[in-house]
Amino acid sequence: GAGVSQSPSNKVTEKGKDVELRCDPISGHTALYWYRQSLGQGLEFLIYFQGNSAPDKSGLPSDRFSAERTGGSVSTLTIQRTQQEDSAVYLCASRHRLGGELFFGEGSRLTVL
Amino acid sequence: AQRVTQPEKLLSVFKGAPVELKCNYSYSGSPELFWYVQYSRQRLQLLLRHISRESIKGFTADLNKGETSFHLKKPFAQEEDSAMYYCALKHDKVIFGPGTSLSVIP
Repeated sequence: GAGVSQSPSNKVTEKGKDVELRCDPISGHTALYWYRQSLGQGLEFLIYFQGNSAPDKSGLPSDRFSAERTGGSVSTLTIQRTQQEDSAVYLCASRHRLGGELFFGEGSRLTVL
Repeated sequence: AQRVTQPEKLLSVFKGAPVELKCNYSYSGSPELFWYVQYSRQRLQLLLRHISRESIKGFTADLNKGETSFHLKKPFAQEEDSAMYYCALKHDKVIFGPGTSLSVIP
């Protein structure tokens, strides 16, 4: 139905805690991306899922970051032992298998105290 | 490796003046290039892509393979053009430049 949905929209956590961010892509879109948006860093690629292929994890900044995509639909980005530098807006986007534009969610704003 | 650069973090122009947002890329193959825009309190959205060679909201962008550039241009800026603009390149995955914040002064 609607566009890409992300939750939570805002998350405040303490340093050292784990967080999970969820992305519900547009139905039928086989490609799913996670990006991190922070001041001065622009839009940083994190991970890319395409259908049943192995995900491209080349953008994950450390082994504290991981992502899953279950059943080719919903994706969860997990950040373990959060650090203050993880504070950012995490954006999810999906794209149809035939290519074309990326459709973005509204993002999850993470603040690590 | 794929890379996209946007040299200007901030760009201010007066209403009615021409505007050009620069984008350069490094990629050894034939890329697909895009401009995305994020207006205040809105989602990031596609503005235009080079393969369609279209003009959207008065903006155009020409791919120059010799200079590896894909600059975004508009002859007469409007206040509603104030936004964050990202250049993006797609081969196997889509990567973005650091973005340029455009401010159109009334």
